[in-house]
Amino acid sequence: GAVVSQHPSWVICKSGTSVKIECRSLDFQATTMFWYRQFPKQSLMLMATSNEGSKATYEQGVEKDKFLINHASLTLSTLTVTSAHPEDSSFYICSAKDRELRVEQFFGPGTRLTVL
Amino acid sequence: AQSVTQPDIHITVSEGASLELRCNYSYGATPYLFWYVQSPGQGLQLLLKYFSGDTLVQGIKGFEAEFKRSQSSFNLRKPSVHWSDAAEYFCAVGSYNTNAGKSTFGDGTTLTVKP
Repeated sequence: GAVVSQHPSWVICKSGTSVKIECRSLDFQATTMFWYRQFPKQSLMLMATSNEGSKATYEQGVEKDKFLINHASLTLSTLTVTSAHPEDSSFYICSAKDRELRVEQFFGPGTRLTVL
Repeated sequence: AQSVTQPDIHITVSEGASLELRCNYSYGATPYLFWYVQSPGQGLQLLLKYFSGDTLVQGIKGFEAEFKRSQSSFNLRKPSVHWSDAAEYFCAVGSYNTNAGKSTFGDGTTLTVKP
């Protein structure tokens, strides 16, 4: 149980285009999902906290207009990178909290974004 | 504010040797502590967690960790390392705040296993 999927697993796009990444909890309801960004050889950087049915809470320094997060259901959150640029290239990981468990997060496999 | 320190950026051990990865945390109350492993290009896999109770926690793949409140530590151990254990290891401390439940991650320790 407690499986989180991400789609796509990797994506290459041209500079200026937008890319949507999906995060799904497959076998549990996730009231909260988190979006992380990870640069090579570095730790996870929390970008935003997404609660079902409400606006995401962004961490300091993260542009909310660039990284649009939608958490429309208890099993799906999406991250849209708008007008992507090469510096947005990174590994994006989502995690989800089971509504029955207060602290533990379950992580998706990540999405590798490359912007040309 | 909560924080996690993993003092060792990179550790190399021989296959079959024992392993200890260090983790120190800073948190105002009883922490929720986690160890994750990440293989290249993959997401994070939970190795073990500590919420309360027995301070010696057993995890998957033969790993264990001991919570020591007096030292603010949660070190990860394995008695005999396998080549497949080579990966990145992250220690994390969780918040019991039900409005967020965010976790704070350490910078990670890269484990290399020599044949």
